Amino acid sequence: SQQGEEDPQALSIQEGENATMNCSYKTSINNLQWYRQNSGRGLVHLILIRSNEREKHSGRLRVTLDTSKKSSSLLITASRAADTASYFCATDSRGETSGSRLTFGEGTQLTVNP
Amino acid sequence: DGGITQSPKYLFRKEGQNVTLSCEQNLNHDAMYWYRQDPGQGLRLIYYSQIVNDFQKGDIAEGYSVSREKKESFPLTVTSAQKNPTAFYLCASSLVEYSNQPQHFGDGTRLSIL
Repeated sequence: SQQGEEDPQALSIQEGENATMNCSYKTSINNLQWYRQNSGRGLVHLILIRSNEREKHSGRLRVTLDTSKKSSSLLITASRAADTASYFCATDSRGETSGSRLTFGEGTQLTVNP
Repeated sequence: DGGITQSPKYLFRKEGQNVTLSCEQNLNHDAMYWYRQDPGQGLRLIYYSQIVNDFQKGDIAEGYSVSREKKESFPLTVTSAQKNPTAFYLCASSLVEYSNQPQHFGDGTRLSIL
């Protein structure tokens, strides 16, 4: 079963608007990560939020994490046509020992119309 | 530039044939991973390796095999036992020494059946 589930599955907005994507998960996590994938390409890491953090910013990205609700959100502000891509959340449920083993959700397809 | 190189970009397999997908990284990462992505879906873990000469099965290892003879290389063989191999295959790597590390991805190999 999917550890991370994104909502919505697809989102279409106009350039300049904000885009919010949500992710829910089922088990305890070490951290939660957001990745972006352009069509036919590999994934690019956007931001990592640890289980003891509640909010993190990176440029136009803002991620929140609510471990009591087992959910996270990714906000992209002032969207651009170049933000059009699929966005995935991934949870790392391993301990603090070594490496990472991520479980990915099915993604949100974001379309930003010029 | 440091990164992960996957080859070939496109691969075709005949019935009953084994094919090998290449993954090379020059990031000096200890851990490497193979994922399968089906259209409109998230990533599923096939195999991963945290150290040379050692690897573990992921969630969908049946019909696949790997080797890790060098730190830089983690080839994936799709065997004839994999009855539905058509998919997009992604290789990734990460540091093992520290926890809470992101994964770095190659640009994928698209495998199709002739």
